[in-house]
Amino acid sequence: SQTIHQWPATLVQPVGSPLSLECTVEGTSNPNLYWYRQAAGRGLQLLFYSVGIGQISSEVPQNLSASRPQDRQFILSSKKLLLSDSGFYLCAWNTGNQETQYFGPGTRLLVL
Amino acid sequence: SQQGEEDPQALSIQEGENATMNCSYKTSINNLQWYRQNSGRGLVHLILIRSNEREKHSGRLRVTLDTSKKSSSLLITASRAADTASYFCATDEATGANNLFFGTGTRLTVIP
Repeated sequence: SQTIHQWPATLVQPVGSPLSLECTVEGTSNPNLYWYRQAAGRGLQLLFYSVGIGQISSEVPQNLSASRPQDRQFILSSKKLLLSDSGFYLCAWNTGNQETQYFGPGTRLLVL
Repeated sequence: SQQGEEDPQALSIQEGENATMNCSYKTSINNLQWYRQNSGRGLVHLILIRSNEREKHSGRLRVTLDTSKKSSSLLITASRAADTASYFCATDEATGANNLFFGTGTRLTVIP
């Protein structure tokens, strides 16, 4: 069966420090991958999505970047974190034209 | 943008009562989905309704879709304390793109 992993589960980082969040999917090939951010008590904002290795689409201009070095690995990065980067980061996947997305457990990031 | 809006933002009911949440969106869609999120966790898909459907049932869930009003409702019957969570609607766009646009969510509390 397919599973999706995210780590770390929680992260506290100082302003100006770098960031690397990782998401991996098991049990499927060539998934579509998505990064979302959820501010406290708010809905999800799509940050990046990828339909294949090295293919990244950005939905909003921001301090973050994404990479897909392997088929089932999606990484969210920042060179210098801002206070406004705090939030709950969710990775999701689906395949082909599948409408439903399957979410990972999320990473809670607090930038101080 | 397509992002939906749910109302109410928060709902508190007694166990056994029915809970109704509403979602409105802006542009034409292929389908609308409802997801559930327990506090601090990832989202879980509940039900999908296509643009040519008006009503759909799954267990204690009933979803309606009115494309003329660009709105949907999620009804949870005979609520249980375990239904306590945030509920989000998500829409695609009728352009064929695979991305989902999430609403801001309704926080449901079921009091035992």
